[in-house]
This record gives sequence, C-alpha cells and structure tokens, in this order.
Amino acid sequence: AQSVAQPEDQVNVAEGNPLTVKCTYSVSGNPYLFWYVQYPNRGLQFLLKYITGDNLVKGSYGFEAEFNKSQTSFHLKKPSALVSDSALYFCAVRGVGSGNTGKLIFGQGTTLQVKP
Amino acid sequence: DARVTQTPRHKVTEMGQEVTMRCQPILGHNTVFWYRQTMMQGLELLAYFRNRAPLDDSGMPKDRFSAEMPDATLATLKIQPSEPRDSAVYFCASGPSGSITDTQYFGPGTRLTVL
Repeated sequence: AQSVAQPEDQVNVAEGNPLTVKCTYSVSGNPYLFWYVQYPNRGLQFLLKYITGDNLVKGSYGFEAEFNKSQTSFHLKKPSALVSDSALYFCAVRGVGSGNTGKLIFGQGTTLQVKP
Repeated sequence: DARVTQTPRHKVTEMGQEVTMRCQPILGHNTVFWYRQTMMQGLELLAYFRNRAPLDDSGMPKDRFSAEMPDATLATLKIQPSEPRDSAVYFCASGPSGSITDTQYFGPGTRLTVL
C-alpha cells in the first residue's frame, strides 16, 4: 500500500533561518512526489514536484526539495524563512503499480510557524 | 490567470437535506478530482474523473454521495441525505492530461456544515 508520512505536526523556525519540513513515502514502483501549501481558508497551492532526474527540485517562492531514494524521503527546504511562509504544508505521492489509478496520497500535513 | 472555481464557498444545512457542490475545472483540463478535508482524516480522495468518465470513486460513501460531470466545464458532488459527519471542506482539483506526472490544481473549497 502507498503511504506518506510527515513526522512533525508543527515546525517552528525564526525568520531568516533555514527551514526543513520532512516527508517520507512508501510506494511500489517509481514515486512521483509533490509538495503543496495551504494558507488559512484557502485551497492547496502547488509548490513543486519530483518526477525523475536531478534529486534537488526547485519550486515556487524559493522552496526546494531533495529526493533521497535510499531513505525514501522528500524533504522540503528553504534557505531563509519568511513570516509569510507560515502555513500548512502537505507532501503527496503518486506511485505506479498494478491497480493504481494514479491518485495522489497525501500526508497529514505539517504546520510551519515562522516567528519574526 | 486560470483557476479552478467552486460554488458555494460556504454551506450550512440541516441533517437530511440535499447538498450539491459545483466545480468548474480549468479550461482544457480533462481530469477532475474531489477531495474531502477533515481534522481527523486529513485529505481523502472521494472521486476521480478523466474525460468526464469516473475512474475511481472507491473513497466515496455510495449510499449518500454521488459525483457527476454533466459536461467538460462542470463537475458536481451531491450528498443526499446529508449527515453531521459530512461536515468538512470539499475540494475540487483538475489536471491537464491524466498523465501520471500531472500536477493537480485545487479550487478554494466548499466548507460544509451539517447541523
């Protein structure tokens, strides 16, 4: 069965410091990995995705994520956090396998709090 | 700026009433997804359409929920009869091609409260 784990319910970081939001996954076959951000009372906004190729993926708003196949991880990072980055972040995976319709499986979400 | 639209944005209803939520996917997108978000369960896929045909509705309670795409510009999610446990935010998302690598683009959601 496919699954995504975001081990931290909340991450707190000071503005200007680097941030990491963790994600690990379990799929059969090649994983296709996504990060979305949700601001209060809004829909999910796409940040970035890993399909194939370079393990470091760059996305919107200065975010990037590193795919690590051996550790089955896809952590979201940003070199310098902004207060406006405070939001709920979701990791999602879509795997290829028998009977798989290609639907996205989401983690439970991690709240990022950036303090001034 | 193309985006997914959903109506209504908020709906308060009483138990037993019918609820219909509507979604307009991004023009040209051929896949549509319905998700439900709750504090307890997180984001769950309810139904998935490609070229207006349902591909996966295994996440949807069949006895009270139904999802349709009357045409390429409209997807509907109906609950009849509604129950308090259906209170949640319902998101629609669309994708451009149905490819396994597609990005899904989400609408703003419908916040449903069933009293």
